[in-house]
Amino acid sequence: SQTIHQWPATLVQPVGSPLSLECTVEGTSNPNLYWYRQAAGRGLQLLFYSVGIGQISSEVPQNLSASRPQDRQFILSSKKLLLSDSGFYLCAWSSGTGSFYGYTFGSGTRLTVV
Amino acid sequence: KQEVTQIPAALSVPEGENLVLNCSFTDSAIYNLQWFRQDPGKGLTSLLLIQSSQREQTSGRLNASLDKSSGRSTLYIAASQPGDSATYLCAVRPSINPQETSGSRLTFGEGTQLTVNP
Repeated sequence: SQTIHQWPATLVQPVGSPLSLECTVEGTSNPNLYWYRQAAGRGLQLLFYSVGIGQISSEVPQNLSASRPQDRQFILSSKKLLLSDSGFYLCAWSSGTGSFYGYTFGSGTRLTVV
Repeated sequence: KQEVTQIPAALSVPEGENLVLNCSFTDSAIYNLQWFRQDPGKGLTSLLLIQSSQREQTSGRLNASLDKSSGRSTLYIAASQPGDSATYLCAVRPSINPQETSGSRLTFGEGTQLTVNP
């Protein structure tokens, strides 16, 4: 069966520090991968998606970047965090074609920038 | 641009009630619609997935319907329990060409925060 792992679960970082959040998927190959952010009291905002290794599309201009060094690994990064980067970050995957089975989300990372 | 609206934003009911959560979307050209549950501070758990060709899906006390032409979906929860308290989100996926590589992004509603009181 397919599983998705996301870590860390919580993170408190000072302004200006770097960020690296990691997401891995098991039990499938060539998944579509996504990073979402959920700010307090707001809906989910798609940040990045990837349809293959090294293929990253950004949805909104921001202080963050994403990379996909391996088929089932998706990394969200920042060189210098801003206060506005605080939020709940969710990784998700769907099958590469058709997505007949929908999306599956990870357990999320609560990031607080202080 | 697809927009998804969920009504009501919040709902508080006594235990045992049957309830309906509503989701509407502006573009009926969807591939499927998915209902999720989110507990505070947690990720999203998929509840039901309805393909565009389907009218409804059922899982236990949950039933989701889809009327694609009118841009509506409802999530029906029977005999609600305190453990059903959570935020419920609906999300639609656009119809895509199978060769398209856009990643088939979901558009989410803002969610309905449900509280079931014992």
